[in-house]
Amino acid sequence: AQSVTQLGSHVSVSEGALVLLRCNYSSSVPPYLFWYVQYPNQGLQLLLKYTTGATLVKGINGFEAEFKKSETSFHLTKPSAHMSDAAEYFCAVSYNNNDMRFGAGTRLTVKP
Amino acid sequence: NAGVTQTPKFQVLKTGQSMTLQCAQDMNHNSMYWYRQDPGMGLRLIYYSASEGTTDKGEVPNGYNVSRLNKREFSLRLESAAPSQTSVYFCASSEAQGHTQYFGPGTRLTVL
Repeated sequence: AQSVTQLGSHVSVSEGALVLLRCNYSSSVPPYLFWYVQYPNQGLQLLLKYTTGATLVKGINGFEAEFKKSETSFHLTKPSAHMSDAAEYFCAVSYNNNDMRFGAGTRLTVKP
Repeated sequence: NAGVTQTPKFQVLKTGQSMTLQCAQDMNHNSMYWYRQDPGMGLRLIYYSASEGTTDKGEVPNGYNVSRLNKREFSLRLESAAPSQTSVYFCASSEAQGHTQYFGPGTRLTVL
């Protein structure tokens, strides 16, 4: 069964620093991969997704993620954190048109 | 464009009471989902409907029932609420299984 592991339930960075949120998946076939963001008291919004093609995917708000098949990873990065990036981030995976499985989430704190 | 709407936004129940959470989408999506979100556990799938007229159990279906009323609407019913069902409930929809999901704003349910 497919699963998703997000390393680090909490990540804290300073404003202007690099953001790196880690996601690894277990799947025997190339999956579809997603990153969602959840701001307080809101639903989840899609940040970016990988289906096929270019392995470096750019999303909204300056975020990007790279699909690395050899490492079964899909880490999320942003070169320079902004206070407004403080939120919870979820990695998700699906394949063969099956249901999406979500990681446990990583809460990002941005310090001034 | 409303996207995915959920009612109510907040609800407090006593143990043993019943209630129905409503969800509607206006994107003509085929698939709809109900999740619960609990601290440190990410999103867990309760039930889903791959297409109009079908419903299937997800990861945590016990204590819940669903109805896909038509293509737009997908309701979640708690027949006899228990404190363990205190959670935030999200409805989502997608064109098909495995595709990008769009989420509603959530219902915060407390069972006393």
